[in-house]
Amino acid sequence: AQKITQTQPGMFVQEKEAVTLDCTYDTSDPSYGLFWYKQPSSGEMIFLIYQGSYDQQNATEGRYSLNFQKARKSANLVISASQLGDSAMYFCAMRGATDSWGKLQFGAGTQVVVTP
Amino acid sequence: EAQVTQNPRYLITVTGKKLTVTCSQNMNHEYMSWYRQDPGLGLRQIYYSMNVEVTDKGDVPEGYKVSRKEKRNFPLILESPSPNQTSLYFCASSSRIRGRETQYFGPGTRLLVL
Repeated sequence: AQKITQTQPGMFVQEKEAVTLDCTYDTSDPSYGLFWYKQPSSGEMIFLIYQGSYDQQNATEGRYSLNFQKARKSANLVISASQLGDSAMYFCAMRGATDSWGKLQFGAGTQVVVTP
Repeated sequence: EAQVTQNPRYLITVTGKKLTVTCSQNMNHEYMSWYRQDPGLGLRQIYYSMNVEVTDKGDVPEGYKVSRKEKRNFPLILESPSPNQTSLYFCASSSRIRGRETQYFGPGTRLLVL
């Protein structure tokens, strides 16, 4: 069975600092995908970044990068130069191929508060 | 503009009264999915669809139905809503190009079942 874990329920980070959000996963599938999402207090879900298990390089999207360590089964999100608008809930998710490529499971989320 | 639309955005209904939440995307995506979000339980997948006429259960399909008769639409049907289906619902679609996946979410539907 697949499992995805976010151990940090919440964290404060100072504006302009980098922040790393932890995500670990457990799967026996050789092929899987990892996702990160942002949910501001307004409630919408925003897709941030995707990493495929066979990708040789870590995914990057602007200030977001995914620190993918396959052997450790971790897929941490790094936000560089935090901004006040980065305050939000962040979710990690995984899609594997055990049942079907379509199933997606989410972690519990990490609440980030960026302070001036 | 690439977007996923959901309607209604807010809905209050009573137990047992059938309802449909519509979801539509304008990006010709093959993959679409429904999620519900509840305090303390996080996000859970209800149903997903890999293409037209291809749907499958997520983690919490009980009490829901879906259909995918055309690529752009993926409605969520609650035949007999119950209070435990009070939740925030998201529809999403995604594209996969050269191994890179991008997802788009609808704005969410807040449902209250009395």
